[in-house]
Formats: sequence, structure tokens, C-alpha cells
Amino acid sequence: DARVTQTPRHKVTEMGQEVTMRCQPILGHNTVFWYRQTMMQGLELLAYFRNRAPLDDSGMPKDRFSAEMPDATLATLKIQPSEPRDSAVYFCASGLPPGRGNTEAFFGQGTRLTVV
Amino acid sequence: AQSVAQPEDQVNVAEGNPLTVKCTYSVSGNPYLFWYVQYPNRGLQFLLKYITGDNLVKGSYGFEAEFNKSQTSFHLKKPSALVSDSALYFCAVRELLKAAGNKLTFGGGTRVLVKP
Repeated sequence: DARVTQTPRHKVTEMGQEVTMRCQPILGHNTVFWYRQTMMQGLELLAYFRNRAPLDDSGMPKDRFSAEMPDATLATLKIQPSEPRDSAVYFCASGLPPGRGNTEAFFGQGTRLTVV
Repeated sequence: AQSVAQPEDQVNVAEGNPLTVKCTYSVSGNPYLFWYVQYPNRGLQFLLKYITGDNLVKGSYGFEAEFNKSQTSFHLKKPSALVSDSALYFCAVRELLKAAGNKLTFGGGTRVLVKP
């Protein structure tokens, strides 16, 4: 059963610490999305990759956030230094580009981040 | 820029009654439209999509949605709601522009509460 895998599921960290969230997209999917979900802002698109290249990271605070795809099976989202306002659930999703069969994105279970 | 609007933060309906969750969108080109559902502490689950063809699309769990190009709407419907349909519902759009990166944009979400 193919699925997007995110680790860790939960993370509690102190302000100022580095946080790394990992995502394993579904094998064969070449598009990866990172979203942040909060009560106030809803689902915000942070970054979007195709074939491991960032296409749009305009939603991501550049001073502390970074997103990479070291290889086709791993996407990472880092926050350094973390702040309490970063507390949220971070979702990774993968899919194929429109026009190539399945067009929907498949979501992982999310990483619930709490920065104290 | 593409956008999605879900005008209702919450929809309350009695079990057995019809359920409608509204969604309107804005894109420059042709849209791919999606509905997702999120249960507490879970990731988003794909419900249905409109790509082309018949304006009425059927999806999982008895849900369906009607694409209306003139009104730029894609409302989600279920003829007879169940208590287990209580969840957060998201409408989303991907735009068919080759150079635009085809990012997936979500609406703010609508919480559905089905009362026994």
C-alpha cells in the first residue's frame, strides 16, 4: 500500500533549536509539496518541488526555513532557529504533474511541531 | 494567481439530510479541481476530482461534486449525510499552465458537523 511517510510524527523542541522534518514520497512520484497547517492560517503552501528542483518556495520564510530533496526518495524541511510561532502541523504530499495520469496529491500523516 | 474560496467556516446538518459544501475558484487557465477530507489528527484524504468531461463527478463515501464553469464553482454534495461525515473538508485547484509549476492551492476549509 503506497503512502507518503513523514517523520517524526511529533516533535517538541525548545526555541532556538534546529528542527528537521523528513518526508518519503510515494515511489515514482516526482512532485513534492510541503504545507503548514494552523488554526489561524489554514493550509499554507511552503514549497513545491518537481524532479527534486524547487519550483516555488515563495510561501516559506527564507531566513529560517529551508527545503531540499537530496534524492528522489527523501524531502526535508528544516527550521533553524525555531520559534514558538512555528508551532503547527507540517504536511508533505506527493504526486504526478497534471497531464500524467493521476493528478491528485497524496498526503502524509503530518509532523506536529511544538516549539516551547 | 490561482485561488480557492470556501465561504462557510462550518456547515451543520442533521443526519440523513443533504449536505452541500461550497467552493469557488479562480485560475487563469483550465483547472483541475479536488476535494479532500481531514479527520482529527490525520492527514488529508482525497475524495474526488474534476479533470475534464462530465461536470458531475462521483467520489469516495457517496460524495459527489458539480463543476460549473460559468460560476467557477465546484460544490461538494452528499444526498444523505452520516454522523461519520463530520470532518474538515478542503477544496483545491491545480492550474494547467506548463510554466506555472502546477502547484496545488487549497481553500480555507469547511468544518462539517452532522448531528444525529
